[in-house]
Amino acid sequence: DQQVKQNSPSLSVQEGRISILNCDYTNSMFDYFLWYKKYPAEGPTFLISISSIKDKNEDGRFTVFLNKSAKHLSLHIVPSQPGDSAVYFCAASDYTSGTYKYIFGTGTRLKVLA
Amino acid sequence: ETGVTQTPRHLVMGMTNKKSLKCEQHLGHNAMYWYKQSAKKPLELMFVYNFKEQTENNSVPSRFSPECPNSSHLFLHLHTLQPEDSALYLCASSQELTGGTQYFGPGTRLLVL
Repeated sequence: DQQVKQNSPSLSVQEGRISILNCDYTNSMFDYFLWYKKYPAEGPTFLISISSIKDKNEDGRFTVFLNKSAKHLSLHIVPSQPGDSAVYFCAASDYTSGTYKYIFGTGTRLKVLA
Repeated sequence: ETGVTQTPRHLVMGMTNKKSLKCEQHLGHNAMYWYKQSAKKPLELMFVYNFKEQTENNSVPSRFSPECPNSSHLFLHLHTLQPEDSALYLCASSQELTGGTQYFGPGTRLLVL
């Protein structure tokens, strides 16, 4: 049973508009979340993280929102650019227990149309 | 070279072959990881090394044998693999074992015939 789910395998957005990528988790012990971006033929690269003591973290065009009661996080990219076209993975861990294990979602492929 | 590098980038092998995947990190990190990514599945953690010592074997079949001679290098030795082992194998490293950001290499795309 997948503890981290990205239910949308793909998303297309017009350049300049907002991209919203969603991630749901089932384990209430998860308290640290990351988003990775992956281009073809490259490994995932870290994008942004959020810990459960916050409900929002912002870095330039990227904002991650965390709704603990709904066990849901989302990544907002605004404005979207063609270079943002990639696969986005969310990952979660039970950080305060000292674990190093990240549980990854299956990814969402974002295509930003020029 | 900077970051995390992996060689080879692509590998085709028969079920009776023996091959090795190599990972090298130039970040001064202490922890290194092997992940497997199969099509339409999430990344699966396979092995974890911390200061050259294996701290995790995530129920990986013995046909996969990791080796970590030092904190900068990690190998994955492959022997008598099955076609279902075809996947993208990703290496990652992190400064410390607990929490923190993991930095990934580009992966080795493996095809077992």
